[in-house]
Amino acid sequence: DQQVKQNSPSLSVQEGRISILNCDYTNSMFDYFLWYKKYPAEGPTFLISISSIKDKNEDGRFTVFLNKSAKHLSLHIVPSQPGDSAVYFCAASGLQEYGNKLVFGAGTILRVKS
Amino acid sequence: NAGVTQTPKFRILKIGQSMTLQCTQDMNHNYMYWYRQDPGMGLKLIYYSVGAGITDKGEVPNGYNVSRSTTEDFPLRLELAAPSQTSVYFCASSYPGGNTIYFGEGSWLTVV
Repeated sequence: DQQVKQNSPSLSVQEGRISILNCDYTNSMFDYFLWYKKYPAEGPTFLISISSIKDKNEDGRFTVFLNKSAKHLSLHIVPSQPGDSAVYFCAASGLQEYGNKLVFGAGTILRVKS
Repeated sequence: NAGVTQTPKFRILKIGQSMTLQCTQDMNHNYMYWYRQDPGMGLKLIYYSVGAGITDKGEVPNGYNVSRSTTEDFPLRLELAAPSQTSVYFCASSYPGGNTIYFGEGSWLTVV
């Protein structure tokens, strides 16, 4: 039972355009969401997060949108750069829960073409 | 600025052998974790620890053991390696109550 789903295994985008990575969740108790970025042969690194009291969080070129009614979140990267090519993991948990309660999606491979 | 350090980075094991993946962190985090990542799958929690002397099972603990004698170290032991344990293993740590987890670079393990 996948509680966090990233339905697109891969995404290819031209440099300078917008990248949109999607994530759906099924557990209505989730109220804290994170995106991690992973380069080959490296561990995942924290990118951006959002709690359920917000519907948008922005950090430079990265914006995460949360639609609680649809149980859907998305990560927008504008403009996309070749260095953004990586695997992006969506993760979710309850806000008051600890890291051991994080549930990860399977990841989306983003390729930004120059 | 080391963060979370895992060793070895690569290892090939024969079926039935045992080994220990080492993990150490220098951020004084109380919480530490071991995850595995299989192709096309998300990260699955194997074991976690909320402090020295305290460990607990995650989602996929079978075939593994852990110990936490110090705040810094959290080794993962594979007993009687099986092909199903071929995976990439990530050690991670966080502050108490923190959902932002800091990962090591990963250990690639192949069991043949």
